[in-house]
Amino acid sequence: AQTVTQSQPEMSVQEAETVTLSCTYDTSENNYYLFWYKQPPSRQMILVIRQEAYKQQNATENRFSVNFQKAAKSFSLKISDSQLGDTAMYFCAFMKGAQKLVFGQGTRLTINP
Amino acid sequence: GAGVSQSPRYKVAKRGQDVALRCDPISGHVSLFWYQQALGQGPEFLTYFQNEAQLDKSGLPSDRFFAERPEGSVSTLKIQRTQQEDSAVYLCASSRAWLSYNEQFFGPGTRLTVL
Repeated sequence: AQTVTQSQPEMSVQEAETVTLSCTYDTSENNYYLFWYKQPPSRQMILVIRQEAYKQQNATENRFSVNFQKAAKSFSLKISDSQLGDTAMYFCAFMKGAQKLVFGQGTRLTINP
Repeated sequence: GAGVSQSPRYKVAKRGQDVALRCDPISGHVSLFWYQQALGQGPEFLTYFQNEAQLDKSGLPSDRFFAERPEGSVSTLKIQRTQQEDSAVYLCASSRAWLSYNEQFFGPGTRLTVL
């Protein structure tokens, strides 16, 4: 079974700083997808960024980028120029095929003014 | 277009009561997923539909949990004889297809509190 581990329950940074959230996972699969989801206090889960395991190039979406280390089974999220609206729970997730997502425990990120 | 909607948004039930939670997926989305999110935890998979067929119900915690999607659109998650440990947010997600990766779009969730 796949597992996803987020070792940072909470993080807090000042506005405009860069912050990195960690995620490790365990799987015997070779082809899969990895995701970072954001869940603001309103609780609607929003996709931030995704990475296909067969792609070596790290995914980027504006201020969000990942560091995907397949051999180490590590998938960290970097948020550059952090904004107050980035305050949320962030979940790392794994998917094999087109089926269920397996989520980590989450990291509560607070951006301070 | 409208996103995934869920109703009710909040539900309080007395222990032993039956509850029904509704999910309206995005129109035309083939796949529908239910997740359970306990307080302070990540969501956990419950069950998955492709159209009206329930293809995976391995995450349902007990036979008190039942899900259906009879016409391949709206889905209902039913919990019989609710227990306090059923208190959680129940999230529904839908995606366009199942043959390859498609993004799952989440609803706002139903917060169930069992007293």
